[in-house]
Amino acid sequence: EPEVTQTPSHQVTQMGQEVILRCVPISNHLYFYWYRQILGQKVEFLVSFYNNEISEKSEIFDDQFSVERPDGSNFTLKIRSTKLEDSAMYFCASSTGGSPYEQYFGPGTRLTVT
Amino acid sequence: AQSVSQHNHHVILSEAASLELGCNYSYGGTVNLFWYVQYPGQHLQLLLKYFSGDPLVKGIKGFEAEFIKSKFSFNLRKPSVQWSDTAEYFCAVRWGSGNTGKLIFGQGTTLQVKP
Repeated sequence: EPEVTQTPSHQVTQMGQEVILRCVPISNHLYFYWYRQILGQKVEFLVSFYNNEISEKSEIFDDQFSVERPDGSNFTLKIRSTKLEDSAMYFCASSTGGSPYEQYFGPGTRLTVT
Repeated sequence: AQSVSQHNHHVILSEAASLELGCNYSYGGTVNLFWYVQYPGQHLQLLLKYFSGDPLVKGIKGFEAEFIKSKFSFNLRKPSVQWSDTAEYFCAVRWGSGNTGKLIFGQGTTLQVKP
């Protein structure tokens, strides 16, 4: 069964550094999402992406964040200058946009900012 | 504001006990409702979903959920849990008539089933 993959599984970075989290969505999917979960808190929506542009973003998704689909398979989340509060599990998800309308999630990348 | 609440943060049950996990969302309108499960070390997986029609929805692994519109609720149930149901359970809601919008999650419930 096809699945969403994410790399790396764990990333440790120093405050102020740039990080890029990578996702490979399911191949025939058209809609892509990033969510994050700070330890002990809810899974929160960050951004959705369709047709090579952002379709919706949350208040969390400020100018420090960007997303890109650099080729036909990868979907990346970049954090330009990481802060301690960016430490979280970051989940990528994708959907076809059609039936069965569910979002398929990747295993997550745990980002630790020191 | 759109929000989702799960009432139980940590539930401990013995095998064969019945399970009910509560989920409420903040206000009405058109909603799509989901329960996801995350087994230790694994992906978030869809257990079941409600879009329209019969408010009693059956999912995988013997789970079901009931949508009660008047109560803004979508509670998850299983008549008899197994040790393998130990996992974290997330309720999620999508507002609006589109099918591609963001999901708003509850805070999750950790279920521990004792053998």
